Amino acid sequence: DQQVKQNSPSLSVQEGRISILNCDYTNSMFDYFLWYKKYPAEGPTFLISISSIKDKNEDGRFTVFLNKSAKHLSLHIVPSQPGDSAVYFCAASGSNTGKLIFGQGTTLQVKP
Amino acid sequence: EPEVTQTPSHQVTQMGQEVILRCVPISNHLYFYWYRQILGQKVEFLVSFYNNEISEKSEIFDDQFSVERPDGSNFTLKIRSTKLEDSAMYFCASILAGGLNTEAFFGQGTRLTVV
Repeated sequence: DQQVKQNSPSLSVQEGRISILNCDYTNSMFDYFLWYKKYPAEGPTFLISISSIKDKNEDGRFTVFLNKSAKHLSLHIVPSQPGDSAVYFCAASGSNTGKLIFGQGTTLQVKP
Repeated sequence: EPEVTQTPSHQVTQMGQEVILRCVPISNHLYFYWYRQILGQKVEFLVSFYNNEISEKSEIFDDQFSVERPDGSNFTLKIRSTKLEDSAMYFCASILAGGLNTEAFFGQGTRLTVV
């Protein structure tokens, strides 16, 4: 039962261009969505989040868009930098315990 | 910057042995979690802990697993009798008190290898 899905296992973009990572969810009870970045042998690092009452949240080069009717969110990175190369996980929360449900991750490679 | 710390970074154990994974959450956080990631798979929720008791657990968190906050700073995950399929990265996380719609901070993980 995959409540959070990232259908693209990998993405490759050129430095300076936009990276767009996508995430779909099925549970309409989710009300908070997060993106985490993960390097090998490290824990997930929080990037940006969005509450279900918003449709966009921006933090520097990172913007998250939420389309509740489509149950879809995306992370835009502009401009992409080689240091952005990592695995990106989408996560969702909706229970009172703060439990996160993660997607499978998308490996982003930014080429110099 | 405050961080979640986990020890050890790597634990190798024989099948059937007990292991204890340790975590020190961020000091003013009140909600604590364990997650795991089997190699090549997604990060999976194991258990949440609040006010000295389990608030939610997944199907993975069976009777072989237990959690404890013995001294107000450490948060431990015990696996009573390890199986080969318990081999994974285990991540501890904590959430700031005062709101659950806020980011969880993760530790760097413990790689558990069961042989």
